[in-house]
Amino acid sequence: DGGITQSPKYLFRKEGQNVTLSCEQNLNHDAMYWYRQDPGQGLRLIYYSQIVNDFQKGDIAEGYSVSREKKESFPLTVTSAQKNPTAFYLCASNRPGDRNYGYTFGSGTRLTVV
Amino acid sequence: DQQVKQNSPSLSVQEGRISILNCDYTNSMFDYFLWYKKYPAEGPTFLISISSIKDKNEDGRFTVFLNKSAKHLSLHIVPSQPGDSAVYFCAASAGGVTNAGKSTFGDGTTLTVKP
Repeated sequence: DGGITQSPKYLFRKEGQNVTLSCEQNLNHDAMYWYRQDPGQGLRLIYYSQIVNDFQKGDIAEGYSVSREKKESFPLTVTSAQKNPTAFYLCASNRPGDRNYGYTFGSGTRLTVV
Repeated sequence: DQQVKQNSPSLSVQEGRISILNCDYTNSMFDYFLWYKKYPAEGPTFLISISSIKDKNEDGRFTVFLNKSAKHLSLHIVPSQPGDSAVYFCAASAGGVTNAGKSTFGDGTTLTVKP
């Protein structure tokens, strides 16, 4: 079955520490996205990538970094520069030409700063 | 400036009745509108979409209506079932290479269907 795998499901970070969230897809989708969800709020776009070795900042990119070395993988690093990283992080993918089919989302990673 | 707004944080309906979830948008460049359903601690799942050239799209118990002049869309669920209880997100996307298929989401509406 095709899908998106996010790991880990739960992650705890100490102050000043960088952490990396994994996102892998086997859907052969060109585009991948990272969103952040805070309680009672919608999804806000962090970074997105249309093709390998290329990515763009979303609405709240400060304190985050990404890479897209392979089509299947789009890891997100939450750096120490992100002042309020505690949130639920969602990775998604799609074929930009098939916007009527929406995104396929992973099951999310809950990051907590301790 | 929130481009996609869901003004009702929550909605409660009786099983078997109709659920109507509303969404407003401000960006006239949006040309696809989507609804997602989300359970706690899970990723959203795509439910139904509508193109801006249509005013209605139906899929089983789910129907989405689009009123472009009012920049308003709604999701109707008939009949509502307890398993429909979830958070529903409205999303919109604009075409063009620079938009890269990305979507803008509303804050969600929590639907509770009571048995």
